[in-house]
Amino acid sequence: VQLVESGGGLVQPGGSLRLSCAASGFTLGSYDMHWVRQGTGKGLEWVSAIGETGTTYYADSVKGRFTISREIAKNSFYLQMNSLRAEDTAVYFCSREGYAESFDYWGQGTLVTVSS
Amino acid sequence: QSALTQPASVSGSPGQSITISCTGTSNDVGSYNLVSWYQQHPGKVPKLMIYEVNKRPSGASNRFSGSKSGNTASLTISGLQAEDEADYYCCSYVGNRDFIIFGGGTKLTVL
Repeated sequence: VQLVESGGGLVQPGGSLRLSCAASGFTLGSYDMHWVRQGTGKGLEWVSAIGETGTTYYADSVKGRFTISREIAKNSFYLQMNSLRAEDTAVYFCSREGYAESFDYWGQGTLVTVSS
Repeated sequence: QSALTQPASVSGSPGQSITISCTGTSNDVGSYNLVSWYQQHPGKVPKLMIYEVNKRPSGASNRFSGSKSGNTASLTISGLQAEDEADYYCCSYVGNRDFIIFGGGTKLTVL
C-alpha cells in the first residue's frame, strides 16, 4: 500500500490549489479516504473525507472552500482548495481509513504555504 | 467542535510505564468506541498504534495498550524505551456531521 501526494506549493491569500493523492496496492473505491493537515509545530487536524459511496465530509474550518473528489479509474483522489487563507498553511497528508475509523496508511505529505 | 484534550507533555524513565489521557465529551469519546492513537516522530508520518480503543494493528508493539472510561480514553506505554520518544495524538469519531476529531497532541520525553 502506498499513498503519494502532490500539488502543494506557495499560493497567495484568496488563491486556489489542487492536491492529488495517488494510491497503489489497493482499490481506492473500496475505502473511505481522508485529508489530514498539520501546521508547522502544531497538531493534526482532520480536513475532509470521501466515503466508499462517494459521500463527502468536511471540517467546519474548510466547509464551502474545499472540495474533495476522486477518480476511481486513476485510483486517485483530490482536494480542491479555494479562497485560501494564511491559517490553511500546513502539511497536508492523505490517508486511508482502516478498521473502526482509524487511519492505517498515510502519505508523506505535501506542504501548502499561503502567503503574500 | 473543540479538539480532544491531552496533556502537553509527559515523561518517564526507561523501563517505566506512562499513561496519556485524552478527554472528550459525551458527543465523541463518550459515545463511540472509535478512539485511535498515533505516534509521530519529528519530521515523520503519523503511525497508527491503537484503534477501536484497545486494539493493536500489526506492526505496533505490544507495550502499547489503550482503554476508555466515560469521556476519557487513555494510552499506556509500558517498559519505556528511548525510541518511544515522540508526539502522540488521540483521535475519535464524532458522527456524520463532524466526522473526526484529534487531540492536541502529547510530547513524550524518555529521560
